[in-house]
Amino acid sequence: ETGVTQSPTHLIKTRGQQVTLRCSSQSGHNTVSWYQQALGQGPQFIFQYYREEENGRGNFPPRFSGLQFPNYSSELNVNALELDDSALYLCASTLTTDPSTDTQYFGPGTRLTVL
Amino acid sequence: KQEVTQIPAALSVPEGENLVLNCSFTDSAIYNLQWFRQDPGKGLTSLLLIQSSQREQTSGRLNASLDKSSGRSTLYIAASQPGDSATYLCAVRLWGNNRLAFGKGNQVVVIP
Repeated sequence: ETGVTQSPTHLIKTRGQQVTLRCSSQSGHNTVSWYQQALGQGPQFIFQYYREEENGRGNFPPRFSGLQFPNYSSELNVNALELDDSALYLCASTLTTDPSTDTQYFGPGTRLTVL
Repeated sequence: KQEVTQIPAALSVPEGENLVLNCSFTDSAIYNLQWFRQDPGKGLTSLLLIQSSQREQTSGRLNASLDKSSGRSTLYIAASQPGDSATYLCAVRLWGNNRLAFGKGNQVVVIP
């Protein structure tokens, strides 16, 4: 049990639609990262938020966007869904000011299927 | 760009055998390396985290080593059990950022 929760657990959308995925981080964790994991692959970094500001982005197009809120929750928004967006989406939180532990705590993920 | 490779991609072992999982990375300027466990369709559970200044970490039956100069880490699981069946992912964090670069994982099946 990592203390990180994600909703919904599963989601089915059609191509062209928009989706919002949610993550609730551990209390006090000031950094949240989002990853996309396609079937049979390792997670790929989408972006990171630190104190509500984007703090690094992976090789994902602008239709992937995010928000982080003061209550340690965050959102991943994907516009104009494509079939290749079907994946497990993971969020991870950490306490950046404590690099000695610096463990990334992952949520259970949201399985997105795009038809 | 950091590339992380895990070999073998999949393996099956009889219960009681020791497991050896390998991870290699191309950029030795790492901040830390983390091993995760993932059960099918589930999130990631952190097993061990090794800082760049450390050579190994141990937790129960798990031991992970780190050799930065050769760009390798090894996860040892002693006396494997059927409950160890899962995918094990290696992830590397570089200095200056908090993103993790993952390998594709080692899919392990422990046969009773």
